Amino acid sequence: EAGVTQFPSHSVIEKGQTVTLRCDPISGHDNLYWYRRVMGKEIKFLLHFVKESKQDESGMPNNRFLAERTGGTYSTLKVQPAELEDSGVYFCASSQDGGSFYNEQFFGPGTRLTVL
Amino acid sequence: GDSVTQMEGPVTLSEEAFLTINCTYTATGYPSLFWYVQYPGEGLQLLLKATKADDKGSNKGFEATYRKETTSFHLEKGSVQVSDSAVYFCALRSSGAGSYQLTFGKGTKLSVIP
Repeated sequence: EAGVTQFPSHSVIEKGQTVTLRCDPISGHDNLYWYRRVMGKEIKFLLHFVKESKQDESGMPNNRFLAERTGGTYSTLKVQPAELEDSGVYFCASSQDGGSFYNEQFFGPGTRLTVL
Repeated sequence: GDSVTQMEGPVTLSEEAFLTINCTYTATGYPSLFWYVQYPGEGLQLLLKATKADDKGSNKGFEATYRKETTSFHLEKGSVQVSDSAVYFCALRSSGAGSYQLTFGKGTKLSVIP
């Protein structure tokens, strides 16, 4: 069974440009999460999808970030326009049944974003 | 709000040494506690978990006990190997209804030398 995959693995862009990150969850997982780790700091929750609906987007830093999950399969996270402070590693995770309190979240390898 | 504090790294140990990585948390109610590990070039993997007070999670020789009285979940291993070199993250998930997000510590980088 394939794990969570993310694309690209690295992205280097200039301030003001747009970048789109993609996450493919484990097949059959209705729950999809985005997290971000800024260098030297904690991994922070961004948002949670259940199928195509945003269940919790309390961690989204501002309106330059737009997450979508059309059709309830893969998800994209767009940053437009990118700022220097957006640099970090963006992780995606998925879980089978968010309704179970003990359900494990499986993480992808992350996308390292560098904004110059 | 919820928070997790873990010892700052990096930690360098010789093979077969004893490992302790301290983790304390702040949360309301009865959170579930986790240790995740990230090997070089890979995503985070769940290492072990505990869902209630006094539970002990264990996996691959690692152990951690959920101590509610000290709000701690310290990670231990009796004899580390070079293959244990990785970044270790302590995390919690709140017990609140509808709460699925994980709250992480900053991570501790472990290097084990032969």
